[in-house]
Amino acid sequence: DSGVTQTPKHLITATGQRVTLRCSPRSGDLSVYWYQQSLDQGLQFLIQYYNGEERAKGNILERFSAQQFPDLHSELNLSSLELGDSALYFCASSVGGQINEKLFFGSGTQLSVL
Amino acid sequence: KNEVEQSPQNLTAQEGEFITINCSYSVGISALHWLQQHPGGGIVSLFMLSSGKKKHGRLIATINIQEKHSSLHITASHPRDSAVYICAVRKGGGGSQGNLIFGKGTKLSVKP
Repeated sequence: DSGVTQTPKHLITATGQRVTLRCSPRSGDLSVYWYQQSLDQGLQFLIQYYNGEERAKGNILERFSAQQFPDLHSELNLSSLELGDSALYFCASSVGGQINEKLFFGSGTQLSVL
Repeated sequence: KNEVEQSPQNLTAQEGEFITINCSYSVGISALHWLQQHPGGGIVSLFMLSSGKKKHGRLIATINIQEKHSSLHITASHPRDSAVYICAVRKGGGGSQGNLIFGKGTKLSVKP
């Protein structure tokens, strides 16, 4: 058990809908990272938050947004969903986001857009 | 061309064999990660390297910065090692620790 909790484990929804994925980092970790794993693109970095502030952005679509709350949990919001958004979404956490820190991954949320 | 290339894509081994998975990258990096993803989907970070060699149990990871190449070795392989192994690099020049470029993965199957 990595200590990173993601909910829900599975999500099935329809095109055009909006969903929220939730991530609770390991106790004491200030950084949260979101990744998308799809069959055609593989794993891609989406966004990082550190202690409530956005720290870095990757290949995140404008239809997607994230935030990190004062209790350090994070939510990834996906809107106007398309079939191509079907993927496994992971979050990871680390202590402070420094260069030599190990990442701890959650078990992922499998999103299916029908 | 992908910035991170792994070989082989698929690997089948007999229990007890020595296994090597390779990762080549084309960009300057500050760190390289080896990750393990089991069939259930969860990802575990095995190693993070910026130079040299690291060992943990039966797993050994090496990196050659000049040649832009890393290898993951598994000694005395076991069926429970069956998983997808993913190489990921963090580009040099600063930026987020988690802003990684991932390889496509090597699917390892170890037969009893």
